[in-house]
Amino acid sequence: DAGITQSPRHKVTETGTPVTLRCHQTENHRYMYWYRQDPGHGLRLIHYSYGVKDTDKGEVSDGYSVSRSKTEDFLLTLESATSSQTSVYFCAISAGNEQYFGPGTRLTVT
Amino acid sequence: GESVGLHLPTLSVQEGDNSIINCAYSNSASDYFIWYKQESGKGPQFIIDIRSNMDKRQGQRVTVLLNKTVKHLSLQIAATQPGDSAVYFCAEPTPNFNKFYFGSGTKLNVKP
Repeated sequence: DAGITQSPRHKVTETGTPVTLRCHQTENHRYMYWYRQDPGHGLRLIHYSYGVKDTDKGEVSDGYSVSRSKTEDFLLTLESATSSQTSVYFCAISAGNEQYFGPGTRLTVT
Repeated sequence: GESVGLHLPTLSVQEGDNSIINCAYSNSASDYFIWYKQESGKGPQFIIDIRSNMDKRQGQRVTVLLNKTVKHLSLQIAATQPGDSAVYFCAEPTPNFNKFYFGSGTKLNVKP
């Protein structure tokens, strides 16, 4: 599993509240990613990071921000959660030709 | 950007039969493809990959076929088992492997 953990694993929050999801890796990988997974859409890239303080947008970045102050941690923040952001969020790292995924965070926005 | 997709959202097979999961891509210059398996409640896991200089690659009970003429690849699972029940994705990285694009997935149901 490439030493990837995500927290929390489940969260229910109300519309308009801020939410931060954490991804932690133990193997010093340079590239880290946040995806969301929704029925019929597969995995869609939200943001990714190619080093400490170096981040870039993916295809569905609106409403999300990220930060990477340490190699091992990549944070995803929903500044003001909306119901459309109800989803399963996966963190991933890139190692060689492959991506390795964390166990996911199920977020429900009511 | 790259685009990969899958043909069927759901596939049901009998235990012991062979399964074939299909994927199409749009970029004729695509060089590398990966198949992932995602079991319920877990993140996707790497199964097998193939480069564009190959037509076929075999693993343990799995085979990936690449048809560059029609921009199509398939994942074949031999003697499908209940443990093969999962969602299967094809994926394509950018040339520098900085980003990966995923198809929408096919859910494989294995009937006992």
